[in-house]
Amino acid sequence: GENVEQHPSTLSVQEGDSAVIKCTYSDSASNYFPWYKQELGKRPQLIIDIRSNVGEKKDQRIAVTLNKTAKHFSLHITETQPEDSAVYFCAESGGGADGLTFGKGTHLIIQP
Amino acid sequence: NAGVTQTPKFQVLKTGQSMTLQCAQDMNHNSMYWYRQDPGMGLRLIYYSASEGTTDKGEVPNGYNVSRLNKREFSLRLESAAPSQTSVYFCASNLGQARQPQHFGDGTRLSIL
Repeated sequence: GENVEQHPSTLSVQEGDSAVIKCTYSDSASNYFPWYKQELGKRPQLIIDIRSNVGEKKDQRIAVTLNKTAKHFSLHITETQPEDSAVYFCAESGGGADGLTFGKGTHLIIQP
Repeated sequence: NAGVTQTPKFQVLKTGQSMTLQCAQDMNHNSMYWYRQDPGMGLRLIYYSASEGTTDKGEVPNGYNVSRLNKREFSLRLESAAPSQTSVYFCASNLGQARQPQHFGDGTRLSIL
């Protein structure tokens, strides 16, 4: 992995609305794209991941889309709830045992 | 299963002191990783070990050394701590095969005065 840009850095949405976080990457060899949620003072926890042979993956209220041609991937959270408030990180790797390259994070705030 | 266990959870050092951060996993994972997390910077890879007996540099290896003691344990050493190494350090592990998720420990919060 080389470089991962993540936007926005802060996102505030009303409870019940949807939230979208976007990431772009530069390395054409990247083929694994996880998303982590980190609450204050806690460890990053994997919430969903996608591999390069798939364009979209869903898990209940969370979905991730991948556009390999444009080198970007996005996290979609629907019907947001207060417990969704956290910092979300995208990441990528080129496979094998290489480490992850992370974006700088998005602070998601769910307004009641 | 405890997953990934890091010790200590907190530590304060003086500039120039040395310290070893410990990490152990009980998931029979082949690969282990050390990251640092600074405010506004996300997580950055310091070193990793693809398998027992191997170690490789990551994005920010300067000032650190690592040891893969056995399949379970991967330690990170600061030989002469500097204030710029004040950070939260996370250890992670995974199976080591392509496109496998990494599981993180609870982190070590390190302050260097």
